[in-house]
Amino acid sequence: NAGVTQTPKFQVLKTGQSMTLQCAQDMNHEYMSWYRQDPGMGLRLIHYSVGAGITDQGEVPNGYNVSRSTTEDFPLRLLSAAPSQTSVYFCASRPSGWRETQYFGPGTRLLVL
Amino acid sequence: SQQGEEDPQALSIQEGENATMNCSYKTSINNLQWYRQNSGRGLVHLILIRSNEREKHSGRLRVTLDTSKKSSSLLITASRAADTASYFCATLTSGSRLTFGEGTQLTVNP
Repeated sequence: NAGVTQTPKFQVLKTGQSMTLQCAQDMNHEYMSWYRQDPGMGLRLIHYSVGAGITDQGEVPNGYNVSRSTTEDFPLRLLSAAPSQTSVYFCASRPSGWRETQYFGPGTRLLVL
Repeated sequence: SQQGEEDPQALSIQEGENATMNCSYKTSINNLQWYRQNSGRGLVHLILIRSNEREKHSGRLRVTLDTSKKSSSLLITASRAADTASYFCATLTSGSRLTFGEGTQLTVNP
């Protein structure tokens, strides 16, 4: 299994541009999440999904959209990039059930100029 | 604000010493998890303790949970230089959201 994969690894955007961060998992996990991590800080939840067709907002959803058309994929869309969205973005997945642990992707570093 | 808060923010010790990190949280939880993050990398799960457990061991790791005080501690015994990393606690609530603290930066000096 490849686990959780993210593309791209690094991206530079100009203010106002849009882009999609890709996330895929091959473990048939129901739950998928997007986090952002700013320097010296922990992870903040942007959006999450408990299954295909179901998404919900996390702590910092503004400026981001998600969709979950398949179990495997959970893309994160930046509608109009702002410098405040410069961060490292992590995608994660886990099986359903509260005993389960979460698996993280390697992250996408985003710089918005 | 973050559900989990780690203490201390940074910890520097010598190889062979024990390292203790603490985590406090605010709401009821289903479980509490500890993760490790090496510089520039993703997070790796270390250990999970359920809300009805008080202590758990995994190799050189020992985790305790006190639900009455809403706190947990992670003890790394006989630390090694390779243990240098950031350590995060995360709490899973009934809403299925996993919320992370701000982390403790551990430096183990050879």
